[in-house]
Amino acid sequence: GAVVSQHPSRVICKSGTSVKIECRSLDFQATTMFWYRQFPKKSLMLMATSNEGSKATYEQGVEKDKFLINHASLTLSTLTVTSAHPEDSSFYICSARVGTSGKYEQYFGPGTRLTVT
Amino acid sequence: AQSVAQPEDQVNVAEGNPLTVKCTYSVSGNPYLFWYVQYPNRGLQFLLKYITGDNLVKGSYGFEAEFNKSQTSFHLKKPSALVSDSALYFCAVRDPNTGTASKLTFGTGTRLQVTL
Repeated sequence: GAVVSQHPSRVICKSGTSVKIECRSLDFQATTMFWYRQFPKKSLMLMATSNEGSKATYEQGVEKDKFLINHASLTLSTLTVTSAHPEDSSFYICSARVGTSGKYEQYFGPGTRLTVT
Repeated sequence: AQSVAQPEDQVNVAEGNPLTVKCTYSVSGNPYLFWYVQYPNRGLQFLLKYITGDNLVKGSYGFEAEFNKSQTSFHLKKPSALVSDSALYFCAVRDPNTGTASKLTFGTGTRLQVTL
C-alpha cells in the first residue's frame, strides 16, 4: 500500500524559532498533499492543500505567512512553522492524495508532535 | 457544506461484547464515508470506507460499518471488542462530486475504551 512518512516524529523548539516538518510519499507520486492540525482530544483541522509546483491553498483562518508550505517535488511537501509560539504546539499530520478525480484516495502520515517552549 | 457528527465523546465496552461507534453525516450529494483509528501519538490508520454498492462494509481488524442513507448514518461496529481496540476513532465524509476540490471533513472523534 501507499506509505507516507513524516520527519521529524517529534520536535521541541524554543519560542521565536522556526521549525520545518517534512512529508514524503515513499512509493508513489503525489501532486497534492494536505496538512492537518490536531489539538489535544480534538478532531483534525485542515490547514492547507499543498500542490506540487504551485502555491498552497490555505483554509480560512490559517495564516499563510505563519505556516509556510512548499511542495517542490512530487514526493515531498514541507510545512515550516515560522516564529513559533507555545500556542503553535500541536500534532501536525500530513496526507497525500492519489488520483485526479473526485474518487481519489488519501493516505496519512504518522504525524509530528511539535512542542514550543 | 458537508459535516460529520459523532455524538459520543467516549464509548465504554467490556471485552468480548459488541461495540458500536455512532456517526451521522450531512452532504449534498452521494457521500464517500470513511472510518479511521488513531492510537496515542500516531497518525490515522484507515479502517474502512463506503463508496458505493453493498451498504455493509467490512474493514480491518474485524470492524464493519453500515451505510444507512435514510438515516444518514455510518455507524462503526464490531461483534466482539478487544482491549487492543481501545483508541480514538474518527468518521469522515467527502463529496466526490466536487471533483478534486472535494476534501475530507472529520467528526470530532470518539474514544473507545475496552475493559477486561
